[in-house]
Amino acid sequence: AQRVTQPEKLLSVFKGAPVELKCNYSYSGSPELFWYVQYSRQRLQLLLRHISRESIKGFTADLNKGETSFHLKKPFAQEEDSAMYYCALVRYGGSQGNLIFGKGTKLSVKP
Amino acid sequence: EPEVTQTPSHQVTQMGQEVILRCVPISNHLYFYWYRQILGQKVEFLVSFYNNEISEKSEIFDDQFSVERPDGSNFTLKIRSTKLEDSAMYFCASSEGRIGTEAFFGQGTRLTVV
Repeated sequence: AQRVTQPEKLLSVFKGAPVELKCNYSYSGSPELFWYVQYSRQRLQLLLRHISRESIKGFTADLNKGETSFHLKKPFAQEEDSAMYYCALVRYGGSQGNLIFGKGTKLSVKP
Repeated sequence: EPEVTQTPSHQVTQMGQEVILRCVPISNHLYFYWYRQILGQKVEFLVSFYNNEISEKSEIFDDQFSVERPDGSNFTLKIRSTKLEDSAMYFCASSEGRIGTEAFFGQGTRLTVV
């Protein structure tokens, strides 16, 4: 069964410290993965997707098929990074498919 | 920047009542979705919609749920007879292409069933 696991409900770091938000997935085919972010009182928005291999707001994520992981990393956290982060897996089904989300990790960056 | 818009932001309803949640997707998008998030739990897929019909629905989306695109702009989710366990945040999303392209989410409607 397709599944996304984010083991940490809450991650608290100090400003300037490195951050790693963990995401593991279960998928039989070739996965497509995203990270979505939700800042306080705002909507879910796409942060990055693995196929584009881009860095957004200093965040990167590498797909590791051996470990079935897609961890989100940033070398130096900023206070404005405080938000809920959701890892999501594309599940193709029907004519368009849908996203399977993890439970999310709340990142709190302290001054 | 175009946005997905949802109304109302918060709806309180009595158990057994019908509710309609409204969404205005981004105008050139062709694929539409509803997701929900019960407090403290993960965001869950409900239904996808394309070309004026349901593409796929989850097991959550039972006979009490229906979706409609009554005109060229609105996309609605109707719950016929609400239950306490329907209390959740409901998110509408739209995308230009099939999933795998970026899905844009609305700000959500918080539904409280009392």
